[in-house]
Amino acid sequence: AQSVTQLGSHVSVSEGALVLLRCNYSSSVPPYLFWYVQYPNQGLQLLLKYTSAATLVKGINGFEAEFKKSETSFHLTKPSAHMSDAAEYFCAVSRLKAAGNKLTFGGGTRVLVKP
Amino acid sequence: EAGVTQFPSHSVIEKGQTVTLRCDPISGHDNLYWYRRVMGKEIKFLLHFVKESKQDESGMPNNRFLAERTGGTYSTLKVQPAELEDSGVYFCASSPGTLPLGNEQFFGPGTRLTVL
Repeated sequence: AQSVTQLGSHVSVSEGALVLLRCNYSSSVPPYLFWYVQYPNQGLQLLLKYTSAATLVKGINGFEAEFKKSETSFHLTKPSAHMSDAAEYFCAVSRLKAAGNKLTFGGGTRVLVKP
Repeated sequence: EAGVTQFPSHSVIEKGQTVTLRCDPISGHDNLYWYRRVMGKEIKFLLHFVKESKQDESGMPNNRFLAERTGGTYSTLKVQPAELEDSGVYFCASSPGTLPLGNEQFFGPGTRLTVL
């Protein structure tokens, strides 16, 4: 069975400050890991994914995440927050690289960016 | 290219009524998924189609939920009769099934269902 834990349902950061969203996973097989973002009134958009290649993954909008197997973590970071980063972020895991495998999501972290 | 679309965007019904949600995947995507997010909870998988066949329906909560994908194009998710606990946001996603984007799921905006 797989599970994902996101620490903190709400995070508040100042514009220009570091954004750090934590994600820990549990998986009985090598995982494939994803971060999605949901802006208001929109669907989930893929930020980045880890599929067993490089452990440091770069995504869109300046975000990156590092896969740490020893810590079973896949934390998402961005060096400098922008007002447009205000959204809800979801970490997810699947079992297989190929298509056809369901995603297991964490509870989501809502990010508020203060001017 | 159009993304995944869902209809309606919002639906408010009374307990005991029937509601049908529709999802149009990205053209050419063989894989179609339904997920649900109940308020305050995580997004949970409901089921997965490959073309018109149900590949995995392990997440369907009970037999009040019926999903179809006739012809392997759009999909419908019917709830009959609806109960209060069915309220939430229903997401649809699709994926192409072939590399390089085989395992990337593209999500629609969701349908917010409220059962009164």
